[in-house]
Amino acid sequence: QSVLTQPPSVSGAPGQRVTISCTGSSSNLGARYDVHWYQQLPGTAPKILISGNSNRPSGVPDRFSGSKSGTSASLAITGLQAEDEADYYCQSYDSSLSGYIFGTGTKVTVL
Amino acid sequence: EEQLVQTGGGLIQPGGSLRLSCAASGLSVSNNYMTWVRQAPGKGLEWVSVIYSVGTTYYADSVKGRFIISRDNSKNTLNLQMNSLRPEDTAVYYCARGPHITMVQGVTRNYGMDVWGQGTTVTVSS
Repeated sequence: QSVLTQPPSVSGAPGQRVTISCTGSSSNLGARYDVHWYQQLPGTAPKILISGNSNRPSGVPDRFSGSKSGTSASLAITGLQAEDEADYYCQSYDSSLSGYIFGTGTKVTVL
Repeated sequence: EEQLVQTGGGLIQPGGSLRLSCAASGLSVSNNYMTWVRQAPGKGLEWVSVIYSVGTTYYADSVKGRFIISRDNSKNTLNLQMNSLRPEDTAVYYCARGPHITMVQGVTRNYGMDVWGQGTTVTVSS
């Protein structure tokens, strides 16, 4: 059961900026647990995109950025490219569930 | 290179059992937190289970009492024993290292689930 809510879809033209929100609660994001973001291309395993709220692993373009404030987090993609078309998930830990949680997922479409 | 290679999976009847394995190279399963995540057809990611480096295990409520996570340190392999399988367990199962937490100059860093297996399909159907 997802307790992190994301918009089902976002879209933008090439070169535009899009943002994906991730809304949680006081038992996860609000409890200062880190949020991470994953990109999942069709038919492939998820790949870490942003770790520890805002850190980009080596090899991830700087077009991707993350932030967190209170019970919400967001992923921004600037200079949208065709290869960014994928599903994106936020992920954190929930103390009331004593387990890890994923967001509901957002499909990014490049127009 | 850090890599996870999964084996197991397949078609199984409801009530049956199946064992998934995840062989690691370039990293130690015993020194890391290791996780199983699944994805039902057309659905999002769902966390299934974690085993911490000290051996403590946790499960999602949906699989508690039916699934068992374990590791074989001699083979550097992570396992998931799935019992009493139900149709709703049908999914692609992924193993992953994570959360990957380290201490760097006295500061704790959380790198998330940073290495993933290729996934293996489990279909529960009669």
